[in-house]
Amino acid sequence: AQKITQTQPGMFVQEKEAVTLDCTYDTSDPSYGLFWYKQPSSGEMIFLIYQGSYDQQNATEGRYSLNFQKARKSANLVISASQLGDSAMYFCAMREGLGSARQLTFGSGTQLTVLP
Amino acid sequence: DTAVSQTPKYLVTQMGNDKSIKCEQNLGHDTMYWYKQDSKKFLKIMFSYNNKELIINETVPNRFSPKSPDKAHLNLHINSLELGDSAVYFCASSQPRFETQYFGPGTRLLVL
Repeated sequence: AQKITQTQPGMFVQEKEAVTLDCTYDTSDPSYGLFWYKQPSSGEMIFLIYQGSYDQQNATEGRYSLNFQKARKSANLVISASQLGDSAMYFCAMREGLGSARQLTFGSGTQLTVLP
Repeated sequence: DTAVSQTPKYLVTQMGNDKSIKCEQNLGHDTMYWYKQDSKKFLKIMFSYNNKELIINETVPNRFSPKSPDKAHLNLHINSLELGDSAVYFCASSQPRFETQYFGPGTRLLVL
């Protein structure tokens, strides 16, 4: 079974509007972390936001917020007031368990295009 | 100041050659990783090192050998390169108590 599922291969959004990128995850470990990374066309992986499984509140970082619904095992990324520079591939990722050197498992990504 | 750096950024080589990719981080992190991103953009862990010790070694051909001379460096050596090795290789680092992994810029490897 897929551990991280991103069901939207591509999304379009009008500049200045909000957009939600979907992510569902599958784990039996009570301790886990969820991440979103942005990969622009230049290729680098940019960390956006993190949510821990025990965090009570949804994470927010500037225009990014993570809509964490634990019972549904979803961790959607919300980008408010989209900008042209937000056009990129977005990856959801999960780290299971505690301790050092825990790798990230990535979803297949969502290509977001912001339209002027 | 670059936090995680990789050299070279691009690598074009012939099948059968041996090549190395270097990674350095100046964040003081204890843990470093190698990930492979294939042509469909799928990212998968290859190796993880903690304080110079190998922790994770996913199902990767033994032609791939990581080497960590110190905790700030994790190099990747690839023997007898094959066409299927063409990909983008990312190095990353993290600190155990903190969750975030920071990625290098990637090395784009093309095997001809």
